[in-house]
Amino acid sequence: GNSVTQMEGPVTLSEEAFLTINCTYTATGYPSLFWYVQYPGEGLQLLLKATKADDKGSNKGFEATYRKETTSFHLEKGSVQVSDSAVYFCALEGWSTGFQKLVFGTGTRLLVSP
Amino acid sequence: DGGITQSPKYLFRKEGQNVTLSCEQNLNHDAMYWYRQDPGQGLRLIYYSQIVNDFQKGDIAEGYSVSREKKESFPLTVTSAQKNPTAFYLCASSTPRTGGTYGYTFGSGTRLTVV
Repeated sequence: GNSVTQMEGPVTLSEEAFLTINCTYTATGYPSLFWYVQYPGEGLQLLLKATKADDKGSNKGFEATYRKETTSFHLEKGSVQVSDSAVYFCALEGWSTGFQKLVFGTGTRLLVSP
Repeated sequence: DGGITQSPKYLFRKEGQNVTLSCEQNLNHDAMYWYRQDPGQGLRLIYYSQIVNDFQKGDIAEGYSVSREKKESFPLTVTSAQKNPTAFYLCASSTPRTGGTYGYTFGSGTRLTVV
């Protein structure tokens, strides 16, 4: 079945450091890929997405490129801020038993210190 | 503004009691979902509904029940049969978008604690 694996956290960085959160996936066909962000006590917000190979999703300084050859969708940001502290979820959307299903990774907590 | 409203934000339940979590959306989305979130386990799908009066079990449906009598509403009942109900519950809705990618919108969640 479809699955997503992302690096365990927490990831602890100083402000203005470079961020990478690794995400790899297993899926049949051609899934769409997403990064969601969750702030404390809140639901999930879509951060960025990519729907086909070599697409680059970007938003708020975050980027991720859909790499079919390595089945990866790593999240990057050149300079993190304290306000980026949150939990980040990688997800894929693919067909499963007749409907489009969203499958999540376990989440990676990011802590950014001043 | 359109969105998903989950209530209550915090809920306490005594062991052996059933409890119902509310989820309402005004986005005119056809599909709705319930996820459970536990620390270190990501989100797991409990139930989903693609249209009114129809719903399907997800990956962890045991001990839960749902109804979909109206397009806007998808309440989740946590029954006494659910052995470990303490968790954060998230409701979501979606609709097909141009290009084939479904857009998901999430509510702000309900934290259920069994006392």
